[in-house]
Amino acid sequence: DTGVSQDPRHKITKRGQNVTFRCDPISEHNRLYWYRQTLGQGPEFLTYFQNEAQLEKSRLLSDRFSAERPKGSFSTLEIQRTEQGDSAMYLCASSLAGGPVSEQYFGPGTRLTVT
Amino acid sequence: KNQVEQSPQSLIILEGKNCTLQCNYTVSPFSNLRWYKQDTGRGPVSLTIMTFSENTKSNGRYTATLDADTKQSSLHITASQLSDSASYICVVSGTGGGNKLTFGTGTQLKVEL
Repeated sequence: DTGVSQDPRHKITKRGQNVTFRCDPISEHNRLYWYRQTLGQGPEFLTYFQNEAQLEKSRLLSDRFSAERPKGSFSTLEIQRTEQGDSAMYLCASSLAGGPVSEQYFGPGTRLTVT
Repeated sequence: KNQVEQSPQSLIILEGKNCTLQCNYTVSPFSNLRWYKQDTGRGPVSLTIMTFSENTKSNGRYTATLDADTKQSSLHITASQLSDSASYICVVSGTGGGNKLTFGTGTQLKVEL
């Protein structure tokens, strides 16, 4: 257990529905990252926050995706009008900013299945 | 485009044997290279982090090497155990802001009796 928690661990939804995932980082970490991992592939960067500011978003993050970190602690990732291609593992990681070798600690992930 | 390639894609070895996993990358400018272990259905866990100036780093039975000139890295596992069965992912970070990580697709290792 790295100290990063994600909820729910599994989500099955029908195409067109909205889903929201939550990530609770290690409490003193000011950076929070979201990644997406499809079967047999490595994780791909989606977005990251430093405190409450969203500093970068990947082109993978379409308009249907939105992430927030309102108080600089937990974060939510919402997917609107889900599509079957959104089925993946969504991973959250947190780290302390301050140097290029800051360790990123990953949560267990939320596995999304869109039927 | 930043890329990280790993080989082999999968590997089966007997318990107690050693193995070496390979990684080639094209991430530039380069900051550091990491090896992660990911158990099925879990998040990745860091094994080693190496910067440009480091050639080798060990973590128990795991030893990583880095050749920044040829942009290659390897992860050597000695005296393998059944619990080593997992995906091993090579990850490279550039010098851009945010320490965003570029992941390889991983080597799926299975250790058998």
